[in-house]
Amino acid sequence: ETGVTQTPRHLVMGMTNKKSLKCEQHLGHNAMYWYKQSAKKPLELMFVYSLEERVENNSVPSRFSPECPNSSHLFLHLHTLQPEDSALYLCASSQDSGRNTEAFFGQGTRLTVV
Amino acid sequence: QQPVQSPQAVILREGEDAVINCSSSKALYSVHWYRQKHGEAPVFLMILLKGGEQKGHEKISASFNEKKQQSSLYLTASQLSYSGTYFCENTGNQFYFGTGTSLTVIP
Repeated sequence: ETGVTQTPRHLVMGMTNKKSLKCEQHLGHNAMYWYKQSAKKPLELMFVYSLEERVENNSVPSRFSPECPNSSHLFLHLHTLQPEDSALYLCASSQDSGRNTEAFFGQGTRLTVV
Repeated sequence: QQPVQSPQAVILREGEDAVINCSSSKALYSVHWYRQKHGEAPVFLMILLKGGEQKGHEKISASFNEKKQQSSLYLTASQLSYSGTYFCENTGNQFYFGTGTSLTVIP
């Protein structure tokens, strides 16, 4: 248990579906992140939020839409995904986005797009 | 853009030592090291900051050569629990995870 909780742990969705991934942290951190981990590829940073404002967007397709309503919660809204979007989506948090302190990762959501 | 790690995979016997290297084509600002076991979240191991400061909470050590844009993680007297995939992360203006090193410790 790292203090970062992701739900659901597994998700299967069709290409026309809309779903959301949820991440919650109770560590008092101010920065939250979404990462994508595909098979045989390095983890890729998708989004960074600091104090609920997006500070980084690594050219992620618009079919992925993040939302950070407060410093403890982060969502990733998904719509019209492609099969190649199937991956493990990891949420992380750290004290700040300067990353001079450790980041804590959630267990991830295993997403399968059919 | 992703740092390249070497070796890609290594098998050790309990008690042996290992070195994992992380080389970046971009300047390294600070380097984070993580270990991920199959089906689990990455777990923080160490941060190396410019100026030589290190922050970690396990019995491991690491080096950070800014000029060579390299970092190395040193695992000594390996234990079975050290098995997993090790990643470095370059956390400068943008964050890039390394290609990963699979480490297996056998009895």
